[in-house]
Amino acid sequence: SAVISQKPSRDICQRGTSLTIQCQVDSQVTMMFWYRQQPGQSLTLIATANQGSEATYESGFVIDKFPISRPNLTFSTLTVSNMSPEDSSIYLCSVVTSSEISDTQYFGPGTRLTVL
Amino acid sequence: AQKVTQAQTEISVVEKEDVTLDCVYETRDTTYYLFWYKQPPSGELVFLIRRNSFDEQNEISGRYSWNFQKSTSSFNFTITASQVVDSAVYFCALRLQTGANNLFFGTGTRLTVIP
Repeated sequence: SAVISQKPSRDICQRGTSLTIQCQVDSQVTMMFWYRQQPGQSLTLIATANQGSEATYESGFVIDKFPISRPNLTFSTLTVSNMSPEDSSIYLCSVVTSSEISDTQYFGPGTRLTVL
Repeated sequence: AQKVTQAQTEISVVEKEDVTLDCVYETRDTTYYLFWYKQPPSGELVFLIRRNSFDEQNEISGRYSWNFQKSTSSFNFTITASQVVDSAVYFCALRLQTGANNLFFGTGTRLTVIP
């Protein structure tokens, strides 16, 4: 497994602003992902963060709203842009440490975002 | 299409009781992977177990056990002698061999263990 940290752990933001969430892993990982968990709901994949190239977004998520960076094999950021109250969620980073398709995804502690 | 169903939204048990959390999945793929995660009130997602589709052996880890049955497409999770610290939301998830790396999550079961 890997030790995954996220910053900030929680934040309260105003409508129309943007927040950048950082995900740091203590070792190099092959894959990094960003998930959203809306209040009382399950997890939904936002995108796969690709090292050195544009992220791969799932249906319903777009780069303008959720720009993602992954400059190296241990770090990624997710920005939630032009926020509205509907963006209030827990945002989780997850990683896969090997190239095996069967490998487990390990999750960070999450960032709890509230938009007023 | 892939789908994971956790029909039990919320379960409450008294401490020391046994409890089983149900998970039913749908996929046309013959090779896939099933997972259980625990999400305590603090919010982090804790990995519990991974099971490959070609391995139907049941598994026991301390008070936790898992029953995988391909015939009924189920991957149920039992906690024996439940404790207050087991109170959390438990998610079952499915990942396919082919295609993307997406984890398909169920809607979760909120377990409350009453002291």
